[in-house]
Amino acid sequence: SQKIEQNSEALNIQEGKTATLTCNYTNYSPAYLQWYRQDPGRGPVFLLLIRENEKEKRKERLKVTFDTTLKQSLFHITASQPADSATYLCALDENYGQNFVFGPGTRLSVLP
Amino acid sequence: DAGVTQSPTHLIKTRGQQVTLRCSPKSGHDTVSWYQQALGQGPQFIFQYYEEEERQRGNFPDRFSGHQFPNYSSELNVNALLLGDSALYLCASNNRDRGGGYTFGSGTRLTVV
Repeated sequence: SQKIEQNSEALNIQEGKTATLTCNYTNYSPAYLQWYRQDPGRGPVFLLLIRENEKEKRKERLKVTFDTTLKQSLFHITASQPADSATYLCALDENYGQNFVFGPGTRLSVLP
Repeated sequence: DAGVTQSPTHLIKTRGQQVTLRCSPKSGHDTVSWYQQALGQGPQFIFQYYEEEERQRGNFPDRFSGHQFPNYSSELNVNALLLGDSALYLCASNNRDRGGGYTFGSGTRLTVV
């Protein structure tokens, strides 16, 4: 069956460290993978999109990798800050980018 | 420039009733997708509308139906409400040709009692 897993429900790290979140999938062949941030009671906010032929994408303190052999994406936040505390969701496409399915999310807490 | 607008923000319904949720996409977007998010879980894909037609559908029963209007706005209808339909309903829009990430609304919190 198709499945998207994110490394853990919750992740606590110290301010200034690098947070690494994992997204693994089975029985999908995504052409695109996205990462979103969601704060309590709000809709997800788009952060980054990476294509299957891209190994890495960066945006400010964020970095995403996409390994289609391992069926895995890693999401890194460098120099983390308490304001980075949120739930992070990965999403991958089912139909050549036409609709996206989401993982369960990882709740990140950056401790001061 | 307004993003995605959803109404109402909160709603309480009784089992067996019907509900209609509304969504106005971001300006320049022509595709609307609806998601259901239970507490502590990721959003679950319900369906997607483009050019006033349902294009993709997730694993949801026929009690969930929708519509897209010529101005790209959309409605989600749920009939014969069950307690398990209580969730945050999210609308997301994007431009089909440009692709890219979705813009989400803040959602409608539906409680079925």
